[in-house]
Amino acid sequence: AQSVTQLDSQVPVFEEAPVELRCNYSSSVSVYLFWYVQYPNQGLQLLLKYLSGSTLVESINGFEAEFNKSQTSFHLRKPSVHISDTAEYFCAVSREGGSQGNLIFGKGTKLSVKP
Amino acid sequence: GAGVSQSPSNKVTEKGKDVELRCDPISGHTALYWYRQSLGQGLEFLIYFQGNSAPDKSGLPSDRFSAERTGGSVSTLTIQRTQQEDSAVYLCASSLDYGLGRDGELFFGEGSRLTVL
Repeated sequence: AQSVTQLDSQVPVFEEAPVELRCNYSSSVSVYLFWYVQYPNQGLQLLLKYLSGSTLVESINGFEAEFNKSQTSFHLRKPSVHISDTAEYFCAVSREGGSQGNLIFGKGTKLSVKP
Repeated sequence: GAGVSQSPSNKVTEKGKDVELRCDPISGHTALYWYRQSLGQGLEFLIYFQGNSAPDKSGLPSDRFSAERTGGSVSTLTIQRTQQEDSAVYLCASSLDYGLGRDGELFFGEGSRLTVL
C-alpha cells in the first residue's frame, strides 16, 4: 500500500520569496506522483505529475518538483512566489501502472503568500 | 458542461436526516470518483465508478453511505441518518479511463459542503 506525508500543514511566505512544499511517500512498488492545487473556492486542479523519464517536472506557472527515489520525496518548489499562488497544495501517489482509483492524497499544505 | 458540476454547493441538515449529493461529470469521462475533504484530513477516497464495471466501494466509511451512477453519467452520493462527523466537503471528480500512465488527471468539481447540526 502507498501513503503520502505532507509535513507542513501551513506555509506562510512573503511575495517574491522562494518556497518549498515537502512531500514524502511510502511504497514498496514503483509509483506515479502528482501535485494538485486548490485555489480558494475552487476545485482541485492538476499542477504537475511524474510518470517516468526526467525526474524534474515543471508546471506552466513556474512550479517544479523533483522525484527523488532514494529519499522517497517529491518536493514542490518555486523560486519566486506571487500572491496568486495562495492556495492549498496536495501531493498524491499511485502505484505505477495503476488506475486513477488508486490515487492516495496527502493532507495538504496551505500556502499563504503575503505582500 | 465544461466541467464537473456538483449540487448543492452547500447543505445544512439536522442529525439523523438523509442527504443526497449530486455529481454531473464531464461529458465523455467514463470514470467518476467521490472523495471527502475534512478539515486537516486531506482527501479521503470514498468510491470509484469505472465504465460498466462494479464500483470500488472500499472507501465508504459505513453502510450509511451509498452511491449510484445512472446511465454511466450522473452520480448521486447518499448519506443516511447523518451524523455530525459526516460534516465535510464532498468532492466529485471524473476522468478519461485510460489509466494514470497515459492521462493521470482527475477533474474535480467545486464540492458540496455538508454541515450536520
